Amino acid sequence: DTAVSQTPKYLVTQMGNDKSIKCEQNLGHDTMYWYKQDSKKFLKIMFSYNNKELIINETVPNRFSPKSPDKAHLNLHINSLELGDSAVYFCASSPGLRDSPLHFGNGTRLTVT
Amino acid sequence: SQQGEEDPQALSIQEGENATMNCSYKTSINNLQWYRQNSGRGLVHLILIRSNEREKHSGRLRVTLDTSKKSSSLLITASRAADTASYFCATPTQGGSEKLVFGKGTKLTVNP
Repeated sequence: DTAVSQTPKYLVTQMGNDKSIKCEQNLGHDTMYWYKQDSKKFLKIMFSYNNKELIINETVPNRFSPKSPDKAHLNLHINSLELGDSAVYFCASSPGLRDSPLHFGNGTRLTVT
Repeated sequence: SQQGEEDPQALSIQEGENATMNCSYKTSINNLQWYRQNSGRGLVHLILIRSNEREKHSGRLRVTLDTSKKSSSLLITASRAADTASYFCATPTQGGSEKLVFGKGTKLTVNP
């Protein structure tokens, strides 16, 4: 009955590869997000979707492409992985209403070697 | 751009003591939120305080907000070892919660 679930939990891959991270929420929320947390714990928003529509796209390399097949799912595809992409990626969701808190998944730790 | 800054970066206390963490932010806000992150887990929402509120309580948590100083504090009373985690403040931009900007967090260690 996990509210926001991400897969995989760990991802180890080599530079240049393409990988995807999947996220699903069963909370009925309209808005979903991808955040990146670096090694110093700094959490930065990457993308936000509301009802499958992209509403926030921060300064993120074009190698990162989010896809939302429906409002319960938001996947993140990364092309040509680089060493600097190593981080923990968090999916989150919210009702999208003003003042509504975010519900986070447990993260995907991506290590690029 | 980063909005909130927590202080201190790290805090180590004994069980039973109180822990106070501070957050400063830069622009006007309509609310401020605190989150907890246990090691290896996602962030969990703790409490939200609106800009027209000065203080809010939830169990052993007490949050204050001073909009004139653009600062907030999170007090955890009678701390427990299970409170060991990183604590983040977050503020919305673009007029709502569409984009929450997080600080760098305070790492709290509660020693048994």
